[in-house]
Amino acid sequence: NAGVTQTPKFRILKIGQSMTLQCTQDMNHNYMYWYRQDPGMGLKLIYYSVGAGITDKGEVPNGYNVSRSTTEDFPLRLELAAPSQTSVYFCASSYGVPGLAGEGDTQYFGPGTRLTVL
Amino acid sequence: QKEVEQNSGPLSVPEGAIASLNCTYSDRGSQSFFWYRQYSGKSPELIMFIYSNGDKEDGRFTAQLNKASQYVSLLIRDSQPSDSATYLCAVDSWGKLQFGAGTQVVVTP
Repeated sequence: NAGVTQTPKFRILKIGQSMTLQCTQDMNHNYMYWYRQDPGMGLKLIYYSVGAGITDKGEVPNGYNVSRSTTEDFPLRLELAAPSQTSVYFCASSYGVPGLAGEGDTQYFGPGTRLTVL
Repeated sequence: QKEVEQNSGPLSVPEGAIASLNCTYSDRGSQSFFWYRQYSGKSPELIMFIYSNGDKEDGRFTAQLNKASQYVSLLIRDSQPSDSATYLCAVDSWGKLQFGAGTQVVVTP
């Protein structure tokens, strides 16, 4: 199993450009997440999905959009990139939802995408 | 008020000593607690999870949970240079994980 894969690894955008960050998991997990991590900060949840066709906002969704057409893929779209979106983006997946008190709610992370907006 | 709080460090630990990391959280309804390790420039990787009050041991790592006091801790015994990393505490809240900012641990030879 490759686990969670993300592309690209690095990207530089100009202000106002758009791009899609790709995320794929091969563990047949129902739940997928997008986080951003700013220097010296913890992970902030952007969007999450509980299954194909179902997505919901996290803590910091403004400026982003997501879709989930298959179990495996969960792309994150940045529209009109701004310098405030400079960050490292992590995709994660889990079998279950946190709080069920079972091993299945462990989240597994992809390698990340380092995005700079100039 | 931050929902999950950790000392940012750096926590300097001599090689072979015990590193003690603490985490407090605000949501009394939280049920699942996780410790992730993150090396510089890498993604978080799970070290341990704990759901019940008390201690849970896995190799050189021990997680301790006290729901009444709303804290969870991580002990790293016999610290090695390879343990130098940032340790993230994560707590479930309303079906989602809340992460602390992390504690940087530096193991010195």
